[in-house]
Amino acid sequence: KAGVTQTPRYLIKTRGQQVTLSCSPISGHRSVSWYQQTPGQGLQFLFEYFSETQRNKGNFPGRFSGRQFSNSRSEMNVSTLELGDSALYLCASRASSYNEQFFGPGTRLTVL
Amino acid sequence: AQKVTQAQTEISVVEKEDVTLDCVYETRDTTYYLFWYKQPPSGELVFLIRRNSFDEQNEISGRYSWNFQKSTSSFNFTITASQVVDSAVYFCALSGESRYSGAGSYQLTFGKGTKLSVIP
Repeated sequence: KAGVTQTPRYLIKTRGQQVTLSCSPISGHRSVSWYQQTPGQGLQFLFEYFSETQRNKGNFPGRFSGRQFSNSRSEMNVSTLELGDSALYLCASRASSYNEQFFGPGTRLTVL
Repeated sequence: AQKVTQAQTEISVVEKEDVTLDCVYETRDTTYYLFWYKQPPSGELVFLIRRNSFDEQNEISGRYSWNFQKSTSSFNFTITASQVVDSAVYFCALSGESRYSGAGSYQLTFGKGTKLSVIP
């Protein structure tokens, strides 16, 4: 089975721009979660989607949003980028709530 | 609120030494799950193990072993006969049902990670 894939792998943007990141879960997995990893804050939960519905959201401003499509693929969007948004964004999928999450390789976003 | 503490920020060992990575957690959930992930320099988080709160049996997988002690809220990870390929950042994580969003959401709360360097 193919693993979780994320595109693009690297992105460079400037302040004020917006960005969309994409995640394709493992086939058959209906839950997709997003995490932000920074040196200062570590790994922090952004949100989780299950069957196209946002099931939970972390403590992030409204500039961070996401969605999930009927094929379980997910996108996250960050609007009005700030320097502090520079991070590794990781996507994870799982078969159900009780199962372990499998992570993709991440998208490294740099905001200049 | 849930919390995971990995007190060891960095550890260096010489190849073939045993090393234990500590993890202490806090949660008010009665049912919860504990995980260990490995993050090599490439950045991808690799799943190592999941342990349910109601199963305190220790587990061994090759050179890896895990010691879960509910009484001390700890879930420690030991690598026996370490190898250079074990060099990575290791994260302990906890998930339990979110009290704010109802059933079905099991977000992961991660510790800050322990960077393990195995020196040849």
